[in-house]
Amino acid sequence: GDSVTQMEGPVTLSEEAFLTINCTYTATGYPSLFWYVQYPGEGLQLLLKATKADDKGSNKGFEATYRKETTSFHLEKGSVQVSDSAVYFCALSGGTSYGKLTFGQGTILTVHP
Amino acid sequence: DVKVTQSSRYLVKRTGEKVFLECVQDMDHENMFWYRQDPGLGLRLIYFSYDVKMKEKGDIPEGYSVSREKKERFSLILESASTNQTSMYLCASSLGIISPLHFGNGTRLTVT
Repeated sequence: GDSVTQMEGPVTLSEEAFLTINCTYTATGYPSLFWYVQYPGEGLQLLLKATKADDKGSNKGFEATYRKETTSFHLEKGSVQVSDSAVYFCALSGGTSYGKLTFGQGTILTVHP
Repeated sequence: DVKVTQSSRYLVKRTGEKVFLECVQDMDHENMFWYRQDPGLGLRLIYFSYDVKMKEKGDIPEGYSVSREKKERFSLILESASTNQTSMYLCASSLGIISPLHFGNGTRLTVT
């Protein structure tokens, strides 16, 4: 079945550091890929998405490129802020019925001033 | 903005109790989902529904059931709560197959 694997956390960075969170997936067909973010005490919200190979999703300074050849969708940000501290989830929709998502295990990011 | 509202933020129940978790969305979305979130395991799908009175099992349906009598409301039922069902429960809704999911803020359930 479909699966998503994220890099182990937690990740701790200083403000203005470069961020990479790795995500790889296994799926049949051509899935859509997503990054969701969960701030403390809140539900998940969509950060960015890509629906086909070589698409780049971007939002709030975050970027991720859908790489079919390496089955990856790594999240990057050039300069993180304290307000980026949250849990980040990679997810895929396998294109099957009803758009249910398969999630990775989540990566906790803490950014220090 | 889509709003998904979960009726309780925190719940404490005893082993063996029947527990109802309620979720309401205000955007006329077709699809609704219940996930549970556990550290190191991410989100796992319990049940989902694509229409009123329709339901499908997710990856971990054992010990749970659901009800969708109205389009905007999707209820998760723990028939006889057990301690291994202590978790964060997240409800979500979406419009279509590649539409993003909109999540509620979650219900943290503790079963003692």
